[in-house]
Amino acid sequence: DVKVTQSSRYLVKRTGEKVFLECVQDMDHENMFWYRQDPGLGLRLIYFSYDVKMKEKGDIPEGYSVSREKKERFSLILESASTNQTSMYLCASSLIGVATGELFFGEGSRLTVL
Amino acid sequence: SQQGEEDPQALSIQEGENATMNCSYKTSINNLQWYRQNSGRGLVHLILIRSNEREKHSGRLRVTLDTSKKSSSLLITASRAADTASYFCATDGLSGGNNRLAFGKGNQVVVIP
Repeated sequence: DVKVTQSSRYLVKRTGEKVFLECVQDMDHENMFWYRQDPGLGLRLIYFSYDVKMKEKGDIPEGYSVSREKKERFSLILESASTNQTSMYLCASSLIGVATGELFFGEGSRLTVL
Repeated sequence: SQQGEEDPQALSIQEGENATMNCSYKTSINNLQWYRQNSGRGLVHLILIRSNEREKHSGRLRVTLDTSKKSSSLLITASRAADTASYFCATDGLSGGNNRLAFGKGNQVVVIP
């Protein structure tokens, strides 16, 4: 079975802390994505990566960075967490370009920034 | 930019009834996908329909696509309590760059046993 694993389901951090959200997939997928989900706003793309060490900004990259050192792992980094980054974060992967493929999602990481 | 936009309504139906939800989008697409999300969980892919297809079935799901109206509908027949979830449409725009899916805001469905 295809699996995308997000390391933490729930996190509580303080304003200004550095936060790492980890995502691992076991399907040898090239593409990996980070979305955030907020009530009334749906899913918004933060960053995505189509290969190791490659990344592209999504629609809302401000305040975030990413790292993809290995094909199976895609990390989302909040350099200095702020309260407006309280959200549900969803990682996803896909085998081929989204033009023909489906996304496989992790269970999500709910982050609260106090 | 976000393309998929569901009718932003919550739908409450009795078990056994059919549930229909709609999605509209703004630009040309390669394909349109529907996903389900149970409360507090990740999204699960349901069905993909390509821009040259008009209708597709998968079990109790029926999806239609009207590219002239830039709209799609998802029909769930003979609904079950387990169908209670949020349903999202997502599109990959031809002009939106590679590898991007734009999601709608979701449509919450509650199936009453």
